[in-house]
Amino acid sequence: AQSVTQLGSHVSVSEGALVLLRCNYSSSVPPYLFWYVQYPNQGLQLLLKYTSAATLVKGINGFEAEFKKSETSFHLTKPSAHMSDAAEYFCAVTSWAGSYQLTFGKGTKLSVIP
Amino acid sequence: EADIYQTPRYLVIGTGKKITLECSQTMGHDKMYWYQQDPGMELHLIHYSYGVNSTEKGDLSSESTVSRIRTEHFPLTLESARPSHTSQYLCASSEKGTGDVEQYFGPGTRLTVT
Repeated sequence: AQSVTQLGSHVSVSEGALVLLRCNYSSSVPPYLFWYVQYPNQGLQLLLKYTSAATLVKGINGFEAEFKKSETSFHLTKPSAHMSDAAEYFCAVTSWAGSYQLTFGKGTKLSVIP
Repeated sequence: EADIYQTPRYLVIGTGKKITLECSQTMGHDKMYWYQQDPGMELHLIHYSYGVNSTEKGDLSSESTVSRIRTEHFPLTLESARPSHTSQYLCASSEKGTGDVEQYFGPGTRLTVT
């Protein structure tokens, strides 16, 4: 069984400030981990993914995430928030369960204050 | 840019009507998925397909049905819509492979049953 917990359903940051979105997972086998972003009235777009190579993963739009096995975490960060980063962010985990199905967290809505 | 399309984008329909949500992709992906997304909740997998004539139910029980007669097309049907079916429905597709493959999402259909 696998699950994802995203701490904070809503995060607000000032423009130019650090963005930190938290994700903890549980998985009985080594996981693959993903961060997706959803802009209003759009589908989900992949930001980055961890696939057991480097533990620090760089994605699009200046985002990165670090896989920490000891903490079962995969937090998403960006050094300086931009207004265009306002969106909803979903963490997801998958592992071999017969089908590599994705399990999503409930999402974190990021607001950027000018 | 993902080439996966969903129609209609918005649908308001009365109770008891039969509806079909369309999903098409032009990437030649073997795997396709339907997710249900409610505000503030995680995405739940309701159906998936590994190829033509292959369909499986996902983790979330759904009264909807799907078909996969062509690789590029994965429609979802509700025989008799009810207010409890009000939700956003997201279609996705991915290549064959292991869990590290990216799922590409369509823009979604927002369904309201009155």
